[in-house]
Amino acid sequence: AQSVSQHNHHVILSEAASLELGCNYSYGGTVNLFWYVQYPGQHLQLLLKYFSGDPLVKGIKGFEAEFIKSKFSFNLRKPSVQWSDTAEYFCAVNYGGATNKLIFGTGTLLAVQP
Amino acid sequence: NAGVTQTPKFRILKIGQSMTLQCTQDMNHNYMYWYRQDPGMGLKLIYYSVGAGITDKGEVPNGYNVSRSTTEDFPLRLELAAPSQTSVYFCASSTRDRGGGGELFFGEGSRLTVL
Repeated sequence: AQSVSQHNHHVILSEAASLELGCNYSYGGTVNLFWYVQYPGQHLQLLLKYFSGDPLVKGIKGFEAEFIKSKFSFNLRKPSVQWSDTAEYFCAVNYGGATNKLIFGTGTLLAVQP
Repeated sequence: NAGVTQTPKFRILKIGQSMTLQCTQDMNHNYMYWYRQDPGMGLKLIYYSVGAGITDKGEVPNGYNVSRSTTEDFPLRLELAAPSQTSVYFCASSTRDRGGGGELFFGEGSRLTVL
């Protein structure tokens, strides 16, 4: 079955620490990949997306992600986190087809301590 | 641009009551979706629509119904509310990106509590 795994459920970091959140998906075909962020009390917003081309994707607020097809992974990174990055982060995969559905991971709650 | 608008933002229901969550988008997107979000579970797809007049079930459709009479509107109906339907509900819309799969644009969510 098509699925998305996020292995880190809760992450606590100090400001200026580096961040890497893991995301793996289950399907080997052509996929479109997304990272969404949800700040406390808000709706989901797109951080970045990968459709094709350069596997290193840069998004908003200094975030980037690397697509590694051989590992079915799309890990999110940020070199130096800020307190304002405290949020929940969701990886999502579009496995293609006419429905354009996104399958979401269970999310990673990031808390950045000042 | 308003984007995706959901109402109400908060609602408390008694067991057995019914209600409709409204969702409208002004981006002329063909695709619309209803997700529920529960702590530690991510987002689960309830129903989706690929265009006016066309709807289909997602992963967790039981206890819900939808309709799509116009491109703009995609209401979600809860019949006979149960405590298990306590959740935050998100409506989203998208269009096909030239790369194949478009990003979803989300509404602000509707927090529903069933007591």
